[in-house]
Amino acid sequence: DAGVIQSPRHEVTEMGQEVTLRCKPISGHDYLFWYRQTMMRGLELLIYFNNNVPIDDSGMPEDRFSAKMPNASFSTLKIQPSEPRDSAVYFCASTLRGIGSPLHFGNGTRLTVT
Amino acid sequence: EDQVTQSPEALRLQEGESSSLNCSYTVSGLRGLFWYRQDPGKGPEFLFTLYSAGEEKEKERLKATLTKKESFLHITAPKPEDSATYLCAVQEGDNYGQNFVFGPGTRLSVLP
Repeated sequence: DAGVIQSPRHEVTEMGQEVTLRCKPISGHDYLFWYRQTMMRGLELLIYFNNNVPIDDSGMPEDRFSAKMPNASFSTLKIQPSEPRDSAVYFCASTLRGIGSPLHFGNGTRLTVT
Repeated sequence: EDQVTQSPEALRLQEGESSSLNCSYTVSGLRGLFWYRQDPGKGPEFLFTLYSAGEEKEKERLKATLTKKESFLHITAPKPEDSATYLCAVQEGDNYGQNFVFGPGTRLSVLP
């Protein structure tokens, strides 16, 4: 089991540039979550999908953020244009259907916007 | 509004010195309470799930317990390799949706 795979591991970009983060969930998992982690705010849910359909995107901070899941094995989180306050670690997690199933996290993408 | 708090914010222990971490929660309908361990530069690693008050789970030096309002993670005779941030999360939702709310974490340092 390869676990949840995220890329890139680190991203440094300039303010105003487009950033795309990628995630491959665990095979067979039908829920996919995107979280953002900062020292000040901890882990915040941005959006989650069920069977590739966005269910709750109320955590997406602004229209500059968008997420897609074109198939069961791939999701992207895009920020356009990026701003310095977007600097954080972005985690993708997946889980099986069913109440009580734990989230399984990738190792995150550390985004720095200068 | 659902809320999860953890205490203490940080904890330093000597190797072998047992202690407990606290996770307090307020949710409308608890579906599960989860404990995770997070090492620097890595994603949270799943430890335990607890579903109902009175339930206990154990793994090596860790034991998690649950009441109607809080959970404890007991660490017995810790070792330096137990140093990490420990996160708890609560899940609330219906048969269709799922939502996990995370606490801020407790940073544990175990000194040799």
